[in-house]
Amino acid sequence: EVHLVESGGGLVQPGGSLRLSCVASGFTFSSYKMHWVRQAPGKGLQWLSFISESGTATNYADSVRGRFTTSRDNAKNALYLQLNSLRAEDTAVYHCAREDTVPGDFEFWGLGTLVTVSS
Amino acid sequence: QSALTQPVSVSGSPGQSITISCTGTSSDVGAYNYVSWYQQHPGKAPKLILYEVSSRPSGVPDRFSGSKSGNTASLTISGLQAEDEGDYYCMSFRGGSTPHWLFGAVTKLTVL
Repeated sequence: EVHLVESGGGLVQPGGSLRLSCVASGFTFSSYKMHWVRQAPGKGLQWLSFISESGTATNYADSVRGRFTTSRDNAKNALYLQLNSLRAEDTAVYHCAREDTVPGDFEFWGLGTLVTVSS
Repeated sequence: QSALTQPVSVSGSPGQSITISCTGTSSDVGAYNYVSWYQQHPGKAPKLILYEVSSRPSGVPDRFSGSKSGNTASLTISGLQAEDEGDYYCMSFRGGSTPHWLFGAVTKLTVL
């Protein structure tokens, strides 16, 4: 059974940093593209980033490009999101999602980890 | 990177059909068949209900169907059931120099 479990969220001051992790199980992690999506409290979903199977290709939403970095360690079945220069508007639940064989087919999601940016 | 346009809310009675539209541009919805739909219940992760405009993942009932015309995609739920109540999002690929994914602004479905 496919499982994605995020961790690393918490309370951080504006301008601070956090590193989120997403540990995968139940499938061959290195064979799938992965994404990060966030949801601010009471708001909609926002796509943040993509990383290719090998980790050599990444892309980001304009709102986080240059501040957030996604990476992966296929040996550890882990996906990461480094969050720098955090702002209050980055407060959200951060989900990782697996892209299946068809682009946009995000069939599996983690429950998310909450990041709160506040002084 | 503007969100795709969805109605804020829709409602219907059990057994009825409803349609939720998702309007983008010729750079996203109109250009690619990579439109997917997600259902979300409070406190839960989003659930994929349609991908590639109209394909259903295993386990999603055929009451859920999708279509696309020009820059607008649509999700239709027929035979509405109480458990269909929730939030719905469309998502589309947008190409260009910085390819990315766009979500629609949420549509809240109320089953009366």
